[in-house]
Amino acid sequence: KAGVTQTPRYLIKTRGQQVTLSCSPISGHRSVSWYQQTPGQGLQFLFEYFSETQRNKGNFPGRFSGRQFSNSRSEMNVSTLELGDSALYLCASRRGMNTEAFFGQGTRLTVV
Amino acid sequence: QQQVKQSPQSLIVQKGGISIINCAYENTAFDYFPWYQQFPGKGPALLIAIRPDVSEKKEGRFTISFNKSAKQFSLHIMDSQPGDSATYFCAASILSGANNLFFGTGTRLTVIP
Repeated sequence: KAGVTQTPRYLIKTRGQQVTLSCSPISGHRSVSWYQQTPGQGLQFLFEYFSETQRNKGNFPGRFSGRQFSNSRSEMNVSTLELGDSALYLCASRRGMNTEAFFGQGTRLTVV
Repeated sequence: QQQVKQSPQSLIVQKGGISIINCAYENTAFDYFPWYQQFPGKGPALLIAIRPDVSEKKEGRFTISFNKSAKQFSLHIMDSQPGDSATYFCAASILSGANNLFFGTGTRLTVIP
């Protein structure tokens, strides 16, 4: 059974640009969450989608947005990139809203 | 404000020894406490999880001890092996609510052969 797949694995962008990250959850899982991992702030929740609806949102600026498609795949978008957005972005999928979360390998974003 | 506090930041254990990582929380609404293991270049992998209705859960060499009154929980790794060397994160969430995970700051475990 395939795990959570995130693409691309690595990304280098310039300040001011925008970026889109993709996440394909485990087959049959309908919930997708996004987390940001940095050495300074650790793992922080960005948002969660279930059945194409955003169910929960963390404390991040509006430059961070996401969406979920009917096949449960999700994308995360960051606009007007800042140096501080450099991080490992992790996607987690759940079968339902109150079940275990399984993480992908992440997308390493570097903003220069 | 850190919702889940984790200690120690780093831990060095001899092969065969017991590794103990501690976490504490403040929000009594938390009802799900997982532990994740993360290797360099990989995403966190779910190791073991506990609900507050039990005080201990064991899976192989990994045991979670939970103290509801003290709002503390810990991970014990028995017979630690070099392959256990990784960063461990405790987390907490409210399964019946928003259920996003609040993570501890992580413990880097090194098991010396």
